[in-house]
Amino acid sequence: KAGVTQTPRYLIKTRGQQVTLSCSPISGHRSVSWYQQTPGQGLQFLFEYFSETQRNKGNFPGRFSGRQFSNSRSEMNVSTLELGDSALYLCASTLTGGGTDTQYFGPGTRLTVL
Amino acid sequence: EDQVTQSPEALRLQEGESSSLNCSYTVSGLRGLFWYRQDPGKGPEFLFTLYSAGEEKEKERLKATLTKKESFLHITAPKPEDSATYLCAVQTYTGGSYIPTFGRGTSLIVHP
Repeated sequence: KAGVTQTPRYLIKTRGQQVTLSCSPISGHRSVSWYQQTPGQGLQFLFEYFSETQRNKGNFPGRFSGRQFSNSRSEMNVSTLELGDSALYLCASTLTGGGTDTQYFGPGTRLTVL
Repeated sequence: EDQVTQSPEALRLQEGESSSLNCSYTVSGLRGLFWYRQDPGKGPEFLFTLYSAGEEKEKERLKATLTKKESFLHITAPKPEDSATYLCAVQTYTGGSYIPTFGRGTSLIVHP
């Protein structure tokens, strides 16, 4: 079974630009979550999508947005990039069962903002 | 506010030297505690889920335990390939789904 895939793996952008990241979940998983990981803040939850609807959102500004398509693939968009947006962006595909969810992470997209 | 604290931040062991990593948490309504392993430049890899105090799970040289306030990841006779950052996360039920809160991780280096 193929794992979670994320594209691109690396991105370099300049301040003020916008960026779109893509995530394809494990086949059959309907929930996709996005996280930002930085050395200073660790892993922080951005948002979760389930059946094309945003189900939860973390404490990030409105410049961070996402969507999910009918095939469960998800995209994340960051507008007006700032230097502090440089991070590893991780997508997690969720398998539900046993009263809680187990998340399987993709390899991440390394975003560098210059 | 849910809090997860991992200790130590960094740990250096000699090959074969057993030790434990700690994850203490303060949450309302724990639905599960997860352990992940993360190698540099990669996404976290799922290791264990623990649901209730007293529960234990094992995988190769790793054993995870859970109490009402903390979890331990015991590493028995570690090898250099066990070197990684180990993350724990607690999951609570928020807004119709389960949202994890991650600790900052313990960076483990095992010397041959």
